Amino acid sequence: GIQVEQSPPDLILQEGANSTLRCNFSDSVNNLQWFHQNPWGQLINLFYIPSGTKQNGRLSATTVATERYSLLYISSSQTTDSGVYFCAADQFGNEKLTFGTGTRLTIIP
Amino acid sequence: DAMVIQNPRYQVTQFGKPVTLSCSQTLNHNVMYWYQQKSSQAPKLLFHYYDKDFNNEADTPDNFQSRRPNTSFCFLDIRSPGLGDAAMYLCATSRTRDKEYQETQYFGPGTRLLVL
Repeated sequence: GIQVEQSPPDLILQEGANSTLRCNFSDSVNNLQWFHQNPWGQLINLFYIPSGTKQNGRLSATTVATERYSLLYISSSQTTDSGVYFCAADQFGNEKLTFGTGTRLTIIP
Repeated sequence: DAMVIQNPRYQVTQFGKPVTLSCSQTLNHNVMYWYQQKSSQAPKLLFHYYDKDFNNEADTPDNFQSRRPNTSFCFLDIRSPGLGDAAMYLCATSRTRDKEYQETQYFGPGTRLLVL
């Protein structure tokens, strides 16, 4: 099956800083999603982005499918951005998402 | 507005006492999933339903069962919970066409299970 790796595993930033989270995947993908898991455990959809670039407020994501990676950008970080960010991918003909190990982001006031 | 609903949000059970977690959805999605997530780990897929077609992951223990009586509801039954089954259980749904093209997975808020 597909392998999904995320980096860095941990990131600590001052409020207002920008950050880039990376997701590498081992094979071509049908679906790639970015999630934010809040302190209460809920996984919140950020982007569905098997290719291309999307933006939503301070967050944006880019997936370069031919090079098998995706990047999540967070600008002007706020303390509410803290939590674990997961990327997850699946392949054509397989409706199961494989999750990366996550990046734990801590924003310090 | 809630699209994927899980009840209860917190569940405490005793070692060996059967427990059922429930999930419902208002999205009319044909696929429903159950994930287990332990502390500081990524969610791990237990099984999923494609309509009424049940798909078990190879490493899901027999202690875990699931039922999907209709499109909207899906249940996770843990027949004899052990201490190692304490975790967050996440339900998700998606729309898939012909098992080839899957759209976004939407997750519920999760049920946190504590086994005493």
